[in-house]
Amino acid sequence: AQKVTQAQTEISVVEKEDVTLDCVYETRDTTYYLFWYKQPPSGELVFLIRRNSFDEQNEISGRYSWNFQKSTSSFNFTITASQVVDSAVYFCALSDWAGNMLTFGGGTRLMVKP
Amino acid sequence: EAQVTQNPRYLITVTGKKLTVTCSQNMNHEYMSWYRQDPGLGLRQIYYSMNVEVTDKGDVPEGYKVSRKEKRNFPLILESPSPNQTSLYFCASSLGSGVDNYGYTFGSGTRLTVV
Repeated sequence: AQKVTQAQTEISVVEKEDVTLDCVYETRDTTYYLFWYKQPPSGELVFLIRRNSFDEQNEISGRYSWNFQKSTSSFNFTITASQVVDSAVYFCALSDWAGNMLTFGGGTRLMVKP
Repeated sequence: EAQVTQNPRYLITVTGKKLTVTCSQNMNHEYMSWYRQDPGLGLRQIYYSMNVEVTDKGDVPEGYKVSRKEKRNFPLILESPSPNQTSLYFCASSLGSGVDNYGYTFGSGTRLTVV
């Protein structure tokens, strides 16, 4: 069975601080995909990134970066120089290669204060 | 615009009164799925469909039905809603498996309250 754990339920930072959201996963599959989604206060789910299990390269997109470490089964997400608009709930998710079932973590609520 | 459309956005109903939440996607995606979101539990999969006439249970299927008669539509049916089905529901679609697995694109959500 697959499992995703986001141990931080809520994080509060002041604007311009860097913040890292942790994600640890469990799977018996050798091939799988990892995702991050953002849920702003308006409620929709916004796709941020996909990473497959073969690619352990870290990725950077503007102020966002992701650190995938297969050895520790972690896929952490860092926001550099946080902004108030980053305030949202962030979900880490895992799917097998088939992709029909997406397992989510419990989410981390990030509050960025001005 | 590529999107997943679900209706209604908000619904208040009474226990036992059958209801249907509609879902439609215009991206010709193979996979469709329903999730419910509850505080502290994240999102949990209710049902998914890999193609027309092919559906399967997710983690929390009890009390729900689905059908996939056409590729673009995947309605969620609550035959006899109960208060524990009060939740935020998301419909989602995905291109497919393997290299086509880009994860799900989600609809805007339906907030259901059963009293």
